[in-house]
Amino acid sequence: DAGVTQSPTHLIKTRGQQVTLRCSPKSGHDTVSWYQQALGQGPQFIFQYYEEEERQRGNFPDRFSGHQFPNYSSELNVNALLLGDSALYLCASSLRTGMTDTQYFGPGTRLTVL
Amino acid sequence: GEDVEQSLFLSVREGDSSVINCTYTDSSSTYLYWYKQEPGAGLQLLTYIFSNMDMKQDQRLTVLLNKKDKHLSLRIADTQTGDSAIYFCAEVNRDDKIIFGKGTRLHILP
Repeated sequence: DAGVTQSPTHLIKTRGQQVTLRCSPKSGHDTVSWYQQALGQGPQFIFQYYEEEERQRGNFPDRFSGHQFPNYSSELNVNALLLGDSALYLCASSLRTGMTDTQYFGPGTRLTVL
Repeated sequence: GEDVEQSLFLSVREGDSSVINCTYTDSSSTYLYWYKQEPGAGLQLLTYIFSNMDMKQDQRLTVLLNKKDKHLSLRIADTQTGDSAIYFCAEVNRDDKIIFGKGTRLHILP
């Protein structure tokens, strides 16, 4: 049973560029949440997707957008990258929309913005 | 505002018990979680507790919840070198969003 997978594992971009990160949920899961984890910090909730729609959003600017596909996989897009966007981006999957449902995390994508 | 607080570091001798503490602010939290993160890895769910419970035990792990004081603790019995990691406390707030603490780095002394 495959767990949550993310690609790429590492990425280096320069300021102003755009980036797309990808996530495949755990088998049987239909909900994907994205988190940003800055160095030395806990993960911060970006947004959650269910049935191909954004259902909840944290305190992140519109530069952060996402998409969910019919197979439940998801993408996180960040436009106009800033140095402060450098972080580990974690994807988590679960079975229903409620945050109370157990979330399983992927290994993350480490984004470095130069 | 909403906040989850944890001490940043804890050192424990191998074989002793580790106790990691956490305080949270949202009294309407329904679930509280403990996650483990090893270097370069994602988060691994260790255990969770419903807000109507006081204690939950799962093998070497014991979670205690004091809802009145909004205090959560994770006890790891017989701490091993493989327990060395960062431990995150997280609450599900009234908006159904998960709020994480900054994590406690557990260091195991030989």
